Amino acid sequence: NAGVMQNPRHLVRRRGQEARLRCSPMKGHSHVYWYRQLPEEGLKFMVYLQKENIIDESGMPKERFSAEFPKEGPSILRIQQVVRGDSAAYFCASSGIYPSSYNEQFFGPGTRLTVL
Amino acid sequence: EDKVVQSPLSLVVHEGDTVTLNCSYEVTNFRSLLWYKQEKKAPTFLFMLTSSGIEKKSGRLSSILDKKELSSILNITATQTGDSAIYLCAVEASQGGSEKLVFGKGMKLTVNP
Repeated sequence: NAGVMQNPRHLVRRRGQEARLRCSPMKGHSHVYWYRQLPEEGLKFMVYLQKENIIDESGMPKERFSAEFPKEGPSILRIQQVVRGDSAAYFCASSGIYPSSYNEQFFGPGTRLTVL
Repeated sequence: EDKVVQSPLSLVVHEGDTVTLNCSYEVTNFRSLLWYKQEKKAPTFLFMLTSSGIEKKSGRLSSILDKKELSSILNITATQTGDSAIYLCAVEASQGGSEKLVFGKGMKLTVNP
């Protein structure tokens, strides 16, 4: 039973390019959370999605960032026109139950985005 | 604004020492406090605390929550080099019908042989 999978594990982009980060939740999980970890900072919540629905995007920057979780396929975090400040580790977590039991939230290995 | 503060931010100890990690929080509608260990990969879950004064233990690790003081501690006894990691404290808070985790900055623990 594979855990949460994220790809790519490392992504290098030049300023102005687009970055697409993918997250495949654990089998049977329909809740996906995206977090960003900036250097020297803790994880910060970005967005919570269920299949085909954005439930809470209060942590998403207002511009350039978007997320989706289609009926089929992985969840995608998309960053348009990347800037150096977007360089960070982006973690995805999935869970099978909501709203309780955050100890059931399993994290993927993360994607490390570097913007040159 | 919801806030979780960890202290110290970094600590270097020798194998066999005991360490205490602190976490304090200010959140609206507290639901639970969680501790994670993060090595060079994804955070892994350690403990979830919801009730004050009840210690949770797992091997050499233990944790307790004090809702009156809005804080928690994580103890690690007889530390080993494998305990070297970043320890994250997170609080589950309820906002506008949605629950989310608010993380502290993490505490970097280095255990030297």
